[in-house]
Amino acid sequence: SQTIHQWPATLVQPVGSPLSLECTVEGTSNPNLYWYRQAAGRGLQLLFYSVGIGQISSEVPQNLSASRPQDRQFILSSKKLLLSDSGFYLCAWRTSGNTGELFFGEGSRLTVL
Amino acid sequence: AQSVAQPEDQVNVAEGNPLTVKCTYSVSGNPYLFWYVQYPNRGLQFLLKYITGDNLVKGSYGFEAEFNKSQTSFHLKKPSALVSDSALYFCAVRDPRNKLSFGAGTTVTVRA
Repeated sequence: SQTIHQWPATLVQPVGSPLSLECTVEGTSNPNLYWYRQAAGRGLQLLFYSVGIGQISSEVPQNLSASRPQDRQFILSSKKLLLSDSGFYLCAWRTSGNTGELFFGEGSRLTVL
Repeated sequence: AQSVAQPEDQVNVAEGNPLTVKCTYSVSGNPYLFWYVQYPNRGLQFLLKYITGDNLVKGSYGFEAEFNKSQTSFHLKKPSALVSDSALYFCAVRDPRNKLSFGAGTTVTVRA
């Protein structure tokens, strides 16, 4: 069966520090991968998605970047965090060609102080 | 553009009573609609989806949803709510680029 892992689960970082959140999927190959941000426990904003290694699409201009160095690995990064980067970050995947439902990881809560 | 709206920020029901969480959609073409549930500090869990076929879709944990094309709605329902159903519920629609757009969410509180 397929599983998705995110780490770290919780992170507290000072303003201006770098960020790296990792997401890996097991039990499938060539998944489509997504990073969402959830602010204030409510709506989800799509940040990045990837349909293959090295292929990243950005949905909104921001202080963050994403990379996909391996088929089942998706990384969210920042060189210098802002206070506004605080939030709950969710990684999700789906198989190519399926009917669209996403499967989510357990999330990474980032607090920037 | 594809979008969904959840008109209620919060729904409160007593345990054992029916639960309905509302969702309306706006799409061009045939809608692909989804419901997810999120417990505090957890990821989203997939409940059910409508792609085509029967308008009444059954999902996980006793939930079902009714697709209504004339009213452009996809309401989530459960005949008898449990305290453990208290959570945040999201409706979503798939856009032509195969990404999901989510509603703002509805907080469900089931009181004992």
